[in-house]
Amino acid sequence: GEDVEQSLFLSVREGDSSVINCTYTDSSSTYLYWYKQEPGAGLQLLTYIFSNMDMKQDQRLTVLLNKKDKHLSLRIADTQTGDSAIYFCAETFGSARQLTFGSGTQLTVLP
Amino acid sequence: ETGVTQSPTHLIKTRGQQVTLRCSSQSGHNTVSWYQQALGQGPQFIFQYYREEENGRGNFPPRFSGLQFPNYSSELNVNALELDDSALYLCASSSRDLANYGYTFGSGTRLTVV
Repeated sequence: GEDVEQSLFLSVREGDSSVINCTYTDSSSTYLYWYKQEPGAGLQLLTYIFSNMDMKQDQRLTVLLNKKDKHLSLRIADTQTGDSAIYFCAETFGSARQLTFGSGTQLTVLP
Repeated sequence: ETGVTQSPTHLIKTRGQQVTLRCSSQSGHNTVSWYQQALGQGPQFIFQYYREEENGRGNFPPRFSGLQFPNYSSELNVNALELDDSALYLCASSSRDLANYGYTFGSGTRLTVV
């Protein structure tokens, strides 16, 4: 079956870079996603990467994909206090292309 | 362009009761998926509806059922509620016409079963 794993917590200082890591199992995933969830809110799509790409950059966000190791990372440059949230990586799986999520990484940005 | 809206935002039910949660899709989206997010966990896929039919189902019992209407809005019904059904229920809409099959999530319905 499919499984997505993430480290649970990450703490950084404001202005530093944050790197959130994720490993996934389904090598047939076409797209991989990063979502952000703030307290009491739904999920906000941050970015996604197609499986034939190694890297995607979108303003302060950089996604790196290592298909050989099934490893995905999200780098947030110049992290701000407003970036404090839970970050989920997700892969698409199955005929319905449903999302399989990791347990989320709680990012805390310290002033 | 309107996003995904869910109602109600919060709900308290008693064990054994039935509940209906509602979702309005984002304009232009024809597919609706439902997810259950327990406290401290990532969302788990319940099922997906496309063209008013169930198009995929996760590991949830039959007492979880749904509907999709011609305007692409959707309902999630849960019968015989159990304490473990307490969770945030998220609706996500998407379109099969989008290459990346991007999902837009609503803010969720927080269900508490007592």
